[in-house]
Amino acid sequence: NAGVMQNPRHLVRRRGQEARLRCSPMKGHSHVYWYRQLPEEGLKFMVYLQKENIIDESGMPKERFSAEFPKEGPSILRIQQVVRGDSAAYFCASSRYRETGANVLTFGAGSRLTVL
Amino acid sequence: RKEVEQDPGPFNVPEGATVAFNCTYSNSASQSFFWYRQDCRKEPKLLMSVYSSGNEDGRFTAQLNRASQYISLLIRDSKLSDSATYLCVVIKAAGNKLTFGGGTRVLVKP
Repeated sequence: NAGVMQNPRHLVRRRGQEARLRCSPMKGHSHVYWYRQLPEEGLKFMVYLQKENIIDESGMPKERFSAEFPKEGPSILRIQQVVRGDSAAYFCASSRYRETGANVLTFGAGSRLTVL
Repeated sequence: RKEVEQDPGPFNVPEGATVAFNCTYSNSASQSFFWYRQDCRKEPKLLMSVYSSGNEDGRFTAQLNRASQYISLLIRDSKLSDSATYLCVVIKAAGNKLTFGGGTRVLVKP
């Protein structure tokens, strides 16, 4: 049981470049959640996906951010034309069922994006 | 006003002492409450759920006060390894997303 795998663990981009963060959920989990944590702040919900569907994207910035969870392969959080304010830790979590409580959510180790 | 608010700290605690801190939430319809622990540059991990009747897990005690809309965490006999950021988590309704507080930093010193 490899847990929730995120990669890359660390990513450095220059302003204007694209960042792609990947998340492979735990085996048997079909629900994926992305959270962002800015320095010295708590985690902020971004998006909730099931296979091939975006269920709730109420926390996603309206521009430059997109997420997908294809039928095959990992979930991807894509940030286009990154700016310095995008520098943060991006955590992915997965669950077997629709989120009904924190005890069924497993977090990955996070991807730390630094924008120069 | 933030949905979930916490005193950021840090709470500097002598080893062996007791420390307690609260978390307030704004939505009276909130249904589920949890404490998570986050170590520096690591992912958050569930510490304990918070039940209406209060609950205890070893040295940790969590309480819920619905009337005043806050939850609390008390750590007894603090260990150096308790140094971490403690995140309050609220779920508004079954199946809804987690809402995190900003965290309370605790530093236990010898």
